Amino acid sequence: DAKTTQPPSMDCAEGRAANLPCNHSTISGNEYVYWYRQIHSQGPQYIIHGLKNNETNEMASLIITEDRKSSTLILPHATLRDTAVYYCIVRVPTSGGYQKVTFGTGTKLQVIP
Amino acid sequence: NAGVTQTPKFQVLKTGQSMTLQCAQDMNHNSMYWYRQDPGMGLRLIYYSASEGTTDKGEVPNGYNVSRLNKREFSLRLESAAPSQTSVYFCASSSRDRVSRVSYEQYFGPGTRLTVT
Repeated sequence: DAKTTQPPSMDCAEGRAANLPCNHSTISGNEYVYWYRQIHSQGPQYIIHGLKNNETNEMASLIITEDRKSSTLILPHATLRDTAVYYCIVRVPTSGGYQKVTFGTGTKLQVIP
Repeated sequence: NAGVTQTPKFQVLKTGQSMTLQCAQDMNHNSMYWYRQDPGMGLRLIYYSASEGTTDKGEVPNGYNVSRLNKREFSLRLESAAPSQTSVYFCASSSRDRVSRVSYEQYFGPGTRLTVT
């Protein structure tokens, strides 16, 4: 799996968009970008994933650069409940067998009132 | 739809005691996983079950056993607990795309906080 680099921490004002960057310069052609988050004392929560096109769901948007070497997770209107550690993971989804999710250190997002 | 549920939420054991952590999912997922999370170390895979009837070791299986009771349930047993097993344990499950058979995201339970004294 490709290595990812994320800033250790970020602040965002409540109601504003939170833009969380992730660098994955060694990503290979068949590797997807996944985002998870972990709110304090809770289990990790899947947010979104993508291959090369931008993706949007009810939680967030994922913007992947054309060369796929970096991506940005966007929470359009951050709330206090979005305070969490956000993990960017790059891996090939498996067919059959298992998929071990390896979490790095992530970005601790603090949403400020 | 409760997703992934785990019991108990908290447990304190003495060294040498045994216990079983329970996990169930109601999403009809094929694959299930057990992770442990220690401060500053991220998630480490203990055991996984790719499908009903199969189990395999992950990164840190020593001291643990698992049972895939049916498609819904995957339990983790500590036969003789040790202080090094003090951790937060997460169960997760994942499905496969019906056409491509590719697995994508994992869904995690709320965790069991285990302390071994």
